[in-house]
Amino acid sequence: GENVEQHPSTLSVQEGDSAVIKCTYSDSASNYFPWYKQELGKGPQLIIDIRSNVGEKKDQRIAVTLNKTAKHFSLHITETQPEDSAVYFCAASDFGNEKLTFGTGTRLTIIP
Amino acid sequence: ETGVTQTPRHLVMGMTNKKSLKCEQHLGHNAMYWYKQSAKKPLELMFVYNFKEQTENNSVPSRFSPECPNSSHLFLHLHTLQPEDSALYLCASSPGLAGGHEQFFGPGTRLTVL
Repeated sequence: GENVEQHPSTLSVQEGDSAVIKCTYSDSASNYFPWYKQELGKGPQLIIDIRSNVGEKKDQRIAVTLNKTAKHFSLHITETQPEDSAVYFCAASDFGNEKLTFGTGTRLTIIP
Repeated sequence: ETGVTQTPRHLVMGMTNKKSLKCEQHLGHNAMYWYKQSAKKPLELMFVYNFKEQTENNSVPSRFSPECPNSSHLFLHLHTLQPEDSALYLCASSPGLAGGHEQFFGPGTRLTVL
C-alpha cells in the first residue's frame, strides 16, 4: 500500500518569512495530493491540492509543487502570519480510490 | 447546521461501557469515513462507506462497530474498549466513489477510555 513520509515534524518560522513542508510517497499510481491544515480543537481542512497532471499550483500565499519522477511534493507558505500556526498534513491517493494516506503532520509555529 | 457535525465532542467511558459516536453531513455527499487520530501518528483510516455500503474496513478490531443508515449519517458503536483506544475520532465525507475529491472533516470526538 501507499506510504507517505512528511518532514519536518515541527517548524518554527519568523513572521513574514516562508515555510516549506515536504512529503514523499511510495506508490507511483498515486495522482491526487491534498494538503490539510488542522487548528486546535478542529478537524483538518483542505487548503490546497494538486493532481499529477500539473507540477505546481498556487493560491495566494500558498503553493504546492509536485515532482512525480522523484515522488515528492511540497507545501510553500510565503509571508507567514500568526494565523498560519497549525498542524499541516499531506496526503496521497489514487484518483480511482477513495482512500487517502496521510503523513504524520508538521506543527508549524509562527513567531511574532 | 452546515458541513460535517459530530456528537458528542468529548466522551469519557470505562472499559465495560457501550457508547456511540454520531456523525452527520449536510453536504449531499455519498461517501463517509471514520478516522482515528492519535498523538504523533498519521490519521488512521478505519472505515469507508459509499452509498451506505461499507467499502473499507482497515483491520479495525470488532469492538468498533460502524453503522451507516443513510448517506447523511454515520455511527461508530463502541464496546469493551481499551485505554489505547483513547484518541480523537474524526468523521469525514466526500462526494463519492471516484476518489480524488476533497474530504470534509468534522471537528472530531475526543474519546478517553479509563
